[in-house]
Amino acid sequence: GAVVSQHPSWVICKSGTSVKIECRSLDFQATTMFWYRQFPKQSLMLMATSNEGSKATYEQGVEKDKFLINHASLTLSTLTVTSAHPEDSSFYICSAINRLAGGYNEQFFGPGTRLTVL
Amino acid sequence: QQQVKQSPQSLIVQKGGISIINCAYENTAFDYFPWYQQFPGKGPALLIAIRPDVSEKKEGRFTISFNKSAKQFSLHIMDSQPGDSATYFCAATYSGNTPLVFGKGTRLSVIA
Repeated sequence: GAVVSQHPSWVICKSGTSVKIECRSLDFQATTMFWYRQFPKQSLMLMATSNEGSKATYEQGVEKDKFLINHASLTLSTLTVTSAHPEDSSFYICSAINRLAGGYNEQFFGPGTRLTVL
Repeated sequence: QQQVKQSPQSLIVQKGGISIINCAYENTAFDYFPWYQQFPGKGPALLIAIRPDVSEKKEGRFTISFNKSAKQFSLHIMDSQPGDSATYFCAATYSGNTPLVFGKGTRLSVIA
């Protein structure tokens, strides 16, 4: 299957600082990527849809000024958690859509980034 | 209408047995139904997926059964192994750029 990478895989930061997480599609181009958040023993919660060259679409309840998303190229989307606080500690996972022949799409996930805010 | 309901929440199966996880959806516009496997601390990995034009798809020990009229689909893991112990998520979406709608997940434990 197609490969999606994330960097860093884990990060620890102090409260009030900003953290940037990168999501890359390694062997395909992705016009659309998604950012999810996952708490322990829970399902994935969609945060936003990232479209290359345009503004991200945020889900209800997700602060767009806090979670900045930039999809500057067909292989890279970034999520910046600004002024992070302990309640932002979570597992952040991105996914990218790989377009297949016949108009179908498959969605592949990155390995996730564990954010811990002290 | 956007929900995907998944059951059971947890499942314990003997090694060599069959693991069965069920999902149900409401939105008849959904046309792509993948299953993801997730190990602790890792991202979900696409396991197998089905489209509504077929009733069953098999890949190795993994089989998806799809019932369009009942709006249900299930994952069967044959000859379950301890290495299959993970959390499994069903999902659904439309063809296109729409995000996946996930079930709540099933934690599978395969015991020897």
